[in-house]
Amino acid sequence: DGGITQSPKYLFRKEGQNVTLSCEQNLNHDAMYWYRQDPGQGLRLIYYSQIVNDFQKGDIAEGYSVSREKKESFPLTVTSAQKNPTAFYLCASSTVINSPLHFGNGTRLTVT
Amino acid sequence: DQQVKQNSPSLSVQEGRISILNCDYTNSMFDYFLWYKKYPAEGPTFLISISSIKDKNEDGRFTVFLNKSAKHLSLHIVPSQPGDSAVYFCAASVINTGNQFYFGTGTSLTVIP
Repeated sequence: DGGITQSPKYLFRKEGQNVTLSCEQNLNHDAMYWYRQDPGQGLRLIYYSQIVNDFQKGDIAEGYSVSREKKESFPLTVTSAQKNPTAFYLCASSTVINSPLHFGNGTRLTVT
Repeated sequence: DQQVKQNSPSLSVQEGRISILNCDYTNSMFDYFLWYKKYPAEGPTFLISISSIKDKNEDGRFTVFLNKSAKHLSLHIVPSQPGDSAVYFCAASVINTGNQFYFGTGTSLTVIP
């Protein structure tokens, strides 16, 4: 079945450590996205990529980094510079133009 | 600044009745709108979309209405079923600008059997 796989489902880290969240899709979609969800807030865009080896910052990119070396993969690194990293992180993909986003099941990151 | 707003955090409806979820937006450039359904600890699932050239789109029990002059859209679910209990997000984008969507804060719908 085609879809988006995010791993792991739950992730725990100590403050000051960088952590990388995995996102893989086999939908052959060109575009991939990372969103963050906090309680009482909508999904906020962190980074997006429309083609391999290219990506753009979203509204809340500070403290995060991404890479897009392969079409299928769009890993997100939460760095120690991110002030409030504890959140639910959602990866999504789409065909580039005017189409709904398909989401993975998310990774809940807890930093203590 | 929140460009897409869902002012009702929660809604309870009896099974079989109509559920109406509302969404307002501030950016008049938005011309493509989506509704998503989300269960806890899962990713959102796409429900229905509408572009600004239409004012209504229907898919089974789900109908989305768009009022461009009021910058308002709504999702109607008829009849509501207990399995519809979830958080519903609306999202908006500007067509042909890279598919960047802005999401509302969500409305938690509870359908009471």
